[in-house]
Amino acid sequence: DAKTTQPPSMDCAEGRAANLPCNHSTISGNEYVYWYRQIHSQGPQYIIHGLKNNETNEMASLIITEDRKSSTLILPHATLRDTAVYYCIVRANYGGSQGNLIFGKGTKLSVKP
Amino acid sequence: ETGVTQTPRHLVMGMTNKKSLKCEQHLGHNAMYWYKQSAKKPLELMFVYNFKEQTENNSVPSRFSPECPNSSHLFLHLHTLQPEDSALYLCASSHPAKLAGNTGELFFGEGSRLTVL
Repeated sequence: DAKTTQPPSMDCAEGRAANLPCNHSTISGNEYVYWYRQIHSQGPQYIIHGLKNNETNEMASLIITEDRKSSTLILPHATLRDTAVYYCIVRANYGGSQGNLIFGKGTKLSVKP
Repeated sequence: ETGVTQTPRHLVMGMTNKKSLKCEQHLGHNAMYWYKQSAKKPLELMFVYNFKEQTENNSVPSRFSPECPNSSHLFLHLHTLQPEDSALYLCASSHPAKLAGNTGELFFGEGSRLTVL
């Protein structure tokens, strides 16, 4: 599985967009980009995933560069409850299951009033 | 509420004790997982079960013994643990194969915080 690089921490003002970058320069053609987050003292929570097209759901948007070597997770209007560690994971899609995901250190996002 | 329930939420045990962690999912998934999260370390995948069969063991010491009696329940039996085994143990479940309209995402429980004295 391709390695990802994320900044260890970021701050964001409440109500503003939070843009979390992820570098995955060794990504293979069959590998997807997954994003999860972990709020303190809780289990991780799935956010979004994509292969090469930009994706949007009720939680966030995922922007993947054309060469697929990096991506950005966008939380359009961050709230205090979005304070969490955000994990970017790259892995092949084995039959559609996201099992066996390997989590790195992630980015600790702090949303401030 | 994620549909994955872990008990107990907190457990303190001595090194000579035997205890078990329980995980139950009400999502109709057929794959279940144990992860370990130590302080200031990334999540570590421990065990994977697909349709009640263990399909992955990531070199976990034998003092951790998983059991999956059915697709809805997963246990982690603990015996003669060490203080360095103190951690948050997370259970997760997912569909093992792509279903229409399903993202295949992992659903995690809130974890069992284990302290070994």
